[in-house]
Amino acid sequence: KNQVEQSPQSLIILEGKNCTLQCNYTVSPFSNLRWYKQDTGRGPVSLTIMTFSENTKSNGRYTATLDADTKQSSLHITASQLSDSASYICVVRPPNSNSGYALNFGKGTSLLVTP
Amino acid sequence: ETGVTQTPRHLVMGMTNKKSLKCEQHLGHNAMYWYKQSAKKPLELMFVYNFKEQTENNSVPSRFSPECPNSSHLFLHLHTLQPEDSALYLCASSQDSVYSGNTIYFGEGSWLTVV
Repeated sequence: KNQVEQSPQSLIILEGKNCTLQCNYTVSPFSNLRWYKQDTGRGPVSLTIMTFSENTKSNGRYTATLDADTKQSSLHITASQLSDSASYICVVRPPNSNSGYALNFGKGTSLLVTP
Repeated sequence: ETGVTQTPRHLVMGMTNKKSLKCEQHLGHNAMYWYKQSAKKPLELMFVYNFKEQTENNSVPSRFSPECPNSSHLFLHLHTLQPEDSALYLCASSQDSVYSGNTIYFGEGSWLTVV
């Protein structure tokens, strides 16, 4: 079972609307949790990074929140634009891992913003 | 432009062919990675190089052979692949593996189709 589960798998919203993407994880505590945006046919790009002690982090219209009690992170997109259409991937880095490179990736949420 | 360049962007090869994927990073990073991204699956770490030395091989079949001639170049040599190896292959780099806040920068990816 993957240690990072994302929902919904896909989402369609109208331009200008807000939306929230969910990430449930089992790795706790962790070193950091990131949200990546991956445009179709491109590599992922980091949007936000949060440490275990942080509750929220914003990057423009993107706001990530973290609830360590429920082991959930959300990515809220405000006033969506057509260019927000992409896959959004939640990534959790465990602490003190045997491998310094260990990352747990979610499968991603595919967001489509329509005119 | 993330500073990580991959070529070719698209590759179609037969199961008996030998081909190579190339990655170059212009960020002065010490760690480089190969990831495999298949549809509906999380990113899978394949290989990690740190200071040109391979530090991780994530049980990857021998038909994938990495090469890191220096800290800014990484190759993935492909030989006698199977159709199920068709995927997006992402190269990435980071300053190093030690610090939890390190961002991993991904290239645009190489779309591989095995026929």
